Amino acid sequence: SAVISQKPSRDICQRGTSLTIQCQVDSQVTMMFWYRQQPGQSLTLIATANQGSEATYESGFVIDKFPISRPNLTFSTLTVSNMSPEDSSIYLCSVEDLYRGVYEQYFGPGTRLTVT
Amino acid sequence: GESVGLHLPTLSVQEGDNSIINCAYSNSASDYFIWYKQESGKGPQFIIDIRSNMDKRQGQRVTVLLNKTVKHLSLQIAATQPGDSAVYFCADVNSTGTASKLTFGTGTRLQVTL
Repeated sequence: SAVISQKPSRDICQRGTSLTIQCQVDSQVTMMFWYRQQPGQSLTLIATANQGSEATYESGFVIDKFPISRPNLTFSTLTVSNMSPEDSSIYLCSVEDLYRGVYEQYFGPGTRLTVT
Repeated sequence: GESVGLHLPTLSVQEGDNSIINCAYSNSASDYFIWYKQESGKGPQFIIDIRSNMDKRQGQRVTVLLNKTVKHLSLQIAATQPGDSAVYFCADVNSTGTASKLTFGTGTRLQVTL
C-alpha cells in the first residue's frame, strides 16, 4: 500500500490566521482526498483532489475556506483559512490505490490542529 | 498522543475473548465496505473489506459479515489482544466514474481489559 506523510503533525494557531498542511505520497496516485475529524467524531470528506483539475468539494465545504493544491501525482496541500476555534480538528489526507483489482483508500497520520 | 473517539460508543472485552463490532449503513447502492482501525494519534488503518455481492469474508483473526437486507455490517475479532484496543470505523464505498467516495460510520471504541 502507498505510504503517506503529512506536515505538520500538529500545530497550535491563533484565530484569524491560516495554516497549510502538506501531504506527500511515495508513489504516483490519481486521486487524493482530504478529510476532517473533529474531536470525538468520525471522518468527514472535505474534498477530492485530482491532479490537473480543480478540487471537488463536499457539501458544507468551500474553496475560499479550504483551498487545495494538487501540483503533481505525489503531493497535495490543504489550507485552512481564517481559522476559528471551530476548525480545531484532525485533518487527514488519503489516497486511492489499486490493490487486488479494487481501489482502496489509505490514510496519512493526520495533522492535529488547535485554534486558540 | 491525543485521544480519538472520546465520545464514541465503547465496547469492553477481556483479553482472549471474541469481539463483535457493529455498524449500520444507509446507502443501498454501495459497492463495497471497509473496516478501519484508528489508534490514538494515528490515521485510520485498513483492516478488511467486503464486496456488496458477498455476505462473509475472513482475514487473519477478523471476519466481516454483511447483511444487506437490514443494511448491517459487523466486524468480529477472534482472541482479542491488547493491541486491538482502538477506535473502529466502518465505511461504505460508492464508486463513481472518477473516484471512490467513502462515507464513514460513527465509530466504536474497543477497550481490551487484561
